[in-house]
Amino acid sequence: EDKVVQSPLSLVVHEGDTVTLNCSYEVTNFRSLLWYKQEKKAPTFLFMLTSSGIEKKSGRLSSILDKKELFSILNITATQTGDSAVYLCAVKIRIKAAGNKLTFGGGTRVLVKP
Amino acid sequence: DGGITQSPKYLFRKEGQNVTLSCEQNLNHDAMYWYRQDPGQGLRLIYYSQIVNDFQKGDIAEGYSVSREKKESFPLTVTSAQKNPTAFYLCASSIGFRGGSGANVLTFGAGSRLTVL
Repeated sequence: EDKVVQSPLSLVVHEGDTVTLNCSYEVTNFRSLLWYKQEKKAPTFLFMLTSSGIEKKSGRLSSILDKKELFSILNITATQTGDSAVYLCAVKIRIKAAGNKLTFGGGTRVLVKP
Repeated sequence: DGGITQSPKYLFRKEGQNVTLSCEQNLNHDAMYWYRQDPGQGLRLIYYSQIVNDFQKGDIAEGYSVSREKKESFPLTVTSAQKNPTAFYLCASSIGFRGGSGANVLTFGAGSRLTVL
């Protein structure tokens, strides 16, 4: 059975802190790993990672994938209250004759206090 | 502006009733998906559709049904057979589903929250 596990479940930090979110996976036919941010309702796309060891960066957010150890990290530096959200990790899996599907982890809830 | 519209945003249902959640997209996306999200949990795939008139069961399809008669529309019916239907339902779409095409990044709607009384 395909599994995507995120840790920690939740964390509380203060503005300016750095947070590191983890996503580990055990799947067959891995294609890529995606990170989403969910503030209130609709998740919004952050990163898609396909290759090991190549960091993707967007402002204060960065992410990297390790396909040997089967995990990814999402880093947020100099956190702001606007970073408070649930961060979702998803793995795209190839399914024979049916294309691909995304399997999501349980999410990490981040609360940034002023 | 292109996007995904889900309706209604909030819905209350009595036990034993079927309800249908609407999902419409004007992004010209081929693939559409329905996910369920329970409090403190991630998204679980209910049904997905790669193309008009075709759809497949996801991981938790029991008690749900869908149709894909038009490219733009992918309604989800929560039937009375679904034992625990109270949840937040998210519809999503993507450019291409068959292997390798496009980024396969999902665009989500704002969700529908269903409460069974």
